[in-house]
Amino acid sequence: GAGVSQSPSNKVTEKGKDVELRCDPISGHTALYWYRQSLGQGLEFLIYFQGNSAPDKSGLPSDRFSAERTGGSVSTLTIQRTQQEDSAVYLCASSAVTVNSPLHFGNGTRLTVT
Amino acid sequence: GQNIDQPTEMTATEGAIVQINCTYQTSGFNGLFWYQQHAGEAPTFLSYNVLDGLEEKGRFSSFLSRSKGYSYLLLKELQMKDSASYLCAVRPSLGAGSYQLTFGKGTKLSVIP
Repeated sequence: GAGVSQSPSNKVTEKGKDVELRCDPISGHTALYWYRQSLGQGLEFLIYFQGNSAPDKSGLPSDRFSAERTGGSVSTLTIQRTQQEDSAVYLCASSAVTVNSPLHFGNGTRLTVT
Repeated sequence: GQNIDQPTEMTATEGAIVQINCTYQTSGFNGLFWYQQHAGEAPTFLSYNVLDGLEEKGRFSSFLSRSKGYSYLLLKELQMKDSASYLCAVRPSLGAGSYQLTFGKGTKLSVIP
């Protein structure tokens, strides 16, 4: 596809359940990012993948959050034992790896934990 | 740490000019980006500045002063469709191979008739 694709677009889950969010980046983009956006808040960095390097996990809020990127393309963000404060829009972005390359965002997954 | 400040909300009249300011304090600097985000949609890229001065792109212009840690986005001939949040983001120097952006909380612009 032409843009970053995320699925599902909406996810409602019960507190304590695990969820998986998927991101398919733009073909050829070796950098992939996960951010989350809560109501009235800015975009909060979660994790960054670049090629075969170890991911930058410095933004993950707790050990319930993890992400992987298989084959340098598709990424999955997993949240275990979801809590109500995890409710947010989870945005994935990809970019080329030059300093002036903008991030291109997908439409996000709106996660609601009840 | 990284800190980016921008006004929370602004209102402007259709056809007018509006300037949205952004100040930043970051660990190094590799450029400043402006994004537009309509409600319920993904952020879309508007502009990039890395050198001091003004970058013009149609009705939108973006200015940077690195010594002051300051940028603004200028929107001319405002249209109703420009009602959106405008996000200021900085690419800090976090080491080789790091390209993540740090975002401000965004400025919600309302354009009124």
